[in-house]
Amino acid sequence: GQNIDQPTEMTATEGAIVQINCTYQTSGFNGLFWYQQHAGEAPTFLSYNVLDGLEEKGRFSSFLSRSKGYSYLLLKELQMKDSASYLCAVALYSSASKIIFGSGTRLSIRP
Amino acid sequence: GAVVSQHPSRVICKSGTSVKIECRSLDFQATTMFWYRQFPKQSLMLMATSNEGSKATYEQGVEKDKFLINHASLTLSTLTVTSAHPEDSSFYICSAISGDTEAFFGQGTRLTVV
Repeated sequence: GQNIDQPTEMTATEGAIVQINCTYQTSGFNGLFWYQQHAGEAPTFLSYNVLDGLEEKGRFSSFLSRSKGYSYLLLKELQMKDSASYLCAVALYSSASKIIFGSGTRLSIRP
Repeated sequence: GAVVSQHPSRVICKSGTSVKIECRSLDFQATTMFWYRQFPKQSLMLMATSNEGSKATYEQGVEKDKFLINHASLTLSTLTVTSAHPEDSSFYICSAISGDTEAFFGQGTRLTVV
């Protein structure tokens, strides 16, 4: 089966740095997405990693290690508006293309 | 980025009736569209994957006769919840991809069955 694990909840302080981890065990792999979702809204795209390594995009960075089945999303200079759920999703572009999501991590930012 | 439009954003229907939700890719041709359901404080659960012109692939536990999916063109997929019941009340979200790209999401549809 497909398994994607991430912490359920995290709390961090405004201005600090937080790392949200995601581990996966899937049959097939063609990339890993991170999405941000505010309550009641659709997810918004943050990053897409296909190759190993770190990709930086402003305050957000995403890392992938395919051999370890591991990714993390790094958020720097946290702002109150970063309070949201962060979803890790794996693309399985095999015979039955699909994108499956982890359970999501609810991040709360405190002043 | 690409735009995916989902309609309606909210719908309330009576138990036993059917509801159709549309998902359109506005500025690209979607080779594949996905339909997800999301219960409060939970992540997105993939219901089915649809490719234009072919039958949808349903995930285990999802009733294909209850959740009818039609992907008639490269820009439109529809999900029809047939004979809706209160337990079908949920947030339904579609997403679309074109080749090996990021998935673009619709705005979601909050379905309430009374």
